[in-house]
Amino acid sequence: AQSVTQLGSHVSVSEGALVLLRCNYSSSVPPYLFWYVQYPNQGLQLLLKYTSAATLVKGINGFEAEFKKSETSFHLTKPSAHMSDAAEYFCAVSDVQGAQKLVFGQGTRLTINP
Amino acid sequence: DSGVTQTPKHLITATGQRVTLRCSPRSGDLSVYWYQQSLDQGLQFLIQYYNGEERAKGNILERFSAQQFPDLHSELNLSSLELGDSALYFCASSVGTSGGLVEQFFGPGTRLTVL
Repeated sequence: AQSVTQLGSHVSVSEGALVLLRCNYSSSVPPYLFWYVQYPNQGLQLLLKYTSAATLVKGINGFEAEFKKSETSFHLTKPSAHMSDAAEYFCAVSDVQGAQKLVFGQGTRLTINP
Repeated sequence: DSGVTQTPKHLITATGQRVTLRCSPRSGDLSVYWYQQSLDQGLQFLIQYYNGEERAKGNILERFSAQQFPDLHSELNLSSLELGDSALYFCASSVGTSGGLVEQFFGPGTRLTVL
């Protein structure tokens, strides 16, 4: 069964610092991978997705993620954090074939310090 | 705004009761998904419908049921409610169902509180 592990339930960085949110997946075949963001009292918004076209994926709001098959990782990065990036971030995986259900990690709450 | 609407926004009820959550997908989307977000279980997939038919099932309790109507809106029915059913319930929609490739757009959620 597919699964996703997000390392660190809380990450705190200073404004302007590098953001690194970690995600490792478990899947018998290369899956589709996603990062979603959830702002307070809102639904989930797609940041970016990996669908095997390119290993470095650029998303919205300056975020990007790199798919590393050898490490089964899909870490999310942003070079310079903004206060508006404070939110909860979810890594998710879905089947390449078959059902489209998303399997989510436990989430990482990102706090930005001024 | 994702284009997915959910009603009601908040729901407070008592144990043993039954509630219905409603979801309207984005215009043109045929697939609807239901997810539950709780503090102890995180975000979990419950069930998917495609053009009126059940397509996939996740960790959905027998006390829960869902359906998708001809106009493509969907309802999630929760019965014999327990305290542990308190959670945020999300609906998502997508255009089709081609093996995980298409993007799912999430609604704002319905927060259910069972007292």
